[in-house]
Amino acid sequence: GALVYQYPRRTICKSGTSMRMECQAVGFQATSVAWYRQSPQKTFELIALSTVNSAIKYEQNFTQEKFPISHPNLSFSSMTVLNAYLEDRGLYLCGAREANTEVFFGKGTRLTVV
Amino acid sequence: QQKVQQSPESLIVPEGGMASLNCTSSDRNVDYFWWYRQHSGKSPKMLMSIFSNGEKEEGRFTVHLNKASLHTSLHIRDSQPSDSALYLCAASDNAGAKLTFGGGTRLTVRP
Repeated sequence: GALVYQYPRRTICKSGTSMRMECQAVGFQATSVAWYRQSPQKTFELIALSTVNSAIKYEQNFTQEKFPISHPNLSFSSMTVLNAYLEDRGLYLCGAREANTEVFFGKGTRLTVV
Repeated sequence: QQKVQQSPESLIVPEGGMASLNCTSSDRNVDYFWWYRQHSGKSPKMLMSIFSNGEKEEGRFTVHLNKASLHTSLHIRDSQPSDSALYLCAASDNAGAKLTFGGGTRLTVRP
């Protein structure tokens, strides 16, 4: 079956430091990968969408300078949160999709900033 | 205002009862709707998706879609306490992984 492995599951970083999270697609080709953040008491916000052979598109309020993303092949994507501060805490999800299928989500990376 | 609106924000139903959740998109480019369930502390899992007008049933879950009004609803019959969770509606306008999520409906099923 199709799965998305996301790691780490939880991470704690000091304010002002950076952390990287990764997603691995298994059993399908992740032609499109989206990264989301669920802040406390909020719904999921799209950070950026990466489609193979296209430029990565960031949503308003999110930038490549803050959340650089790599999507080098059809099975892997990573995102880094640079200079993390309190407002960056939350559950980060990657969702990957092959054309005309459902979006498969990883289990999420819960970021705590101290 | 969010492009995907869900109602109600919270819902309490007795065990064995029917839960009805609503979702409407204001983006006329939307083609696909998805319903996800998220238990506390977990990532969302897809329940059902719908792309065509009409109704789709899977077990105790039924989804309706009216493409003209961009409204979808999820109905859970014979609700169980294990159905208690945050239900998220998401809409997509293409085959990419970009979904726009609604604010969610928090369902509580009382034993």
